[in-house]
Amino acid sequence: ETGVTQSPTHLIKTRGQQVTLRCSSQSGHNTVSWYQQALGQGPQFIFQYYREEENGRGNFPPRFSGLQFPNYSSELNVNALELDDSALYLCASSLAPGTSGYEQYFGPGTRLTVT
Amino acid sequence: AQRVTQPEKLLSVFKGAPVELKCNYSYSGSPELFWYVQYSRQRLQLLLRHISRESIKGFTADLNKGETSFHLKKPFAQEEDSAMYYCALVAGNAGNMLTFGGGTRLMVKP
Repeated sequence: ETGVTQSPTHLIKTRGQQVTLRCSSQSGHNTVSWYQQALGQGPQFIFQYYREEENGRGNFPPRFSGLQFPNYSSELNVNALELDDSALYLCASSLAPGTSGYEQYFGPGTRLTVT
Repeated sequence: AQRVTQPEKLLSVFKGAPVELKCNYSYSGSPELFWYVQYSRQRLQLLLRHISRESIKGFTADLNKGETSFHLKKPFAQEEDSAMYYCALVAGNAGNMLTFGGGTRLMVKP
């Protein structure tokens, strides 16, 4: 069984640029959720993808967007980067949504620094 | 909107002492509550969920709807329990989308 992987591990971007983060879900999982974790805070839900469709969204502006591919891997795209976007971005995969008993399996995260 | 509050950023205890990590939530419906843990240099992982009413690594947590709390307890702390602990909630209509608290760092001293 392969766990959740994320790439890259770290990256540094300049304000106003765009960034794409990638996530491969755990084998057998069809749902991917993305979270933003600012320094010293808990993870904050960005959005969730299920079967290539956005299934729910947290309180994030439209410049945060995503994709899910047929193999259930996912991308998080952030446009017009702001300094406050500096954070650890976590990806989590799980079985089908709607059943909260399904455990979410987290990746190691991507550390984004915006200068 | 739902909210999870963990009032303590840091909790320091000696090995063998009892531990209680506090979690309070606000949600008008029937939530499902979880505790997630992150050990040093490891990824975030599920510790326990209230619907299972289980004890994991000696930890238990009881959902108190009257006090809207889900405190995590262990009678005798071990050094290997040192980690970041996050309380999380799923709203009744939100599938498995988690709302996390700010986390509590538990340090167990020898």
